[in-house]
Amino acid sequence: SQTIHQWPATLVQPVGSPLSLECTVEGTSNPNLYWYRQAAGRGLQLLFYSVGIGQISSEVPQNLSASRPQDRQFILSSKKLLLSDSGFYLCAWGSWGYGYTFGSGTRLTVV
Amino acid sequence: KNQVEQSPQSLIILEGKNCTLQCNYTVSPFSNLRWYKQDTGRGPVSLTIMTFSENTKSNGRYTATLDADTKQSSLHITASQLSDSASYICVVSEGGGNKLTFGTGTQLKVEL
Repeated sequence: SQTIHQWPATLVQPVGSPLSLECTVEGTSNPNLYWYRQAAGRGLQLLFYSVGIGQISSEVPQNLSASRPQDRQFILSSKKLLLSDSGFYLCAWGSWGYGYTFGSGTRLTVV
Repeated sequence: KNQVEQSPQSLIILEGKNCTLQCNYTVSPFSNLRWYKQDTGRGPVSLTIMTFSENTKSNGRYTATLDADTKQSSLHITASQLSDSASYICVVSEGGGNKLTFGTGTQLKVEL
């Protein structure tokens, strides 16, 4: 069965520090991978999606970047965090015909 | 612009009662519609997925309906339990299947 792992679960980082959130998928190959952000009281906002290794599409201009170094690995990064980067980040994988599955999320607080 | 609107924004019901959540969308071309349940601080978990040709789908006490003509969906929860307290999110997928449009969710609270 397919599983998705996302870590860390919570993270507190100072303004200006770098960020790296990692997401890995098991039990499937060539999945579509997604990074979402959920701000308090708001819906999920798509940040990046990837249909293959090295293929990244950005939905919203921002202080973040994404990379897909391996087929089942998706990384969300930032060189310098801003206070506005605080939020709940969700990784998801999806494949036509299989639906979409979300990771457990990372609560990021930038202080 | 593709949009998904959900109502009500929040809802409080007594344990054992039924409730219905609404979702209206303007996503085009339409691929499928999903309802997710999201517990506080957790990732969303899929409840149902419906394609263009399906108008009703059940998952235990959850029943989703879809009217592709009016672009409306509903999620009916029967005999609510305290554990049903969560945010319920309607998600519509575009024709190619790669992009999702999320509703802002309905926050449901079930009380004794």
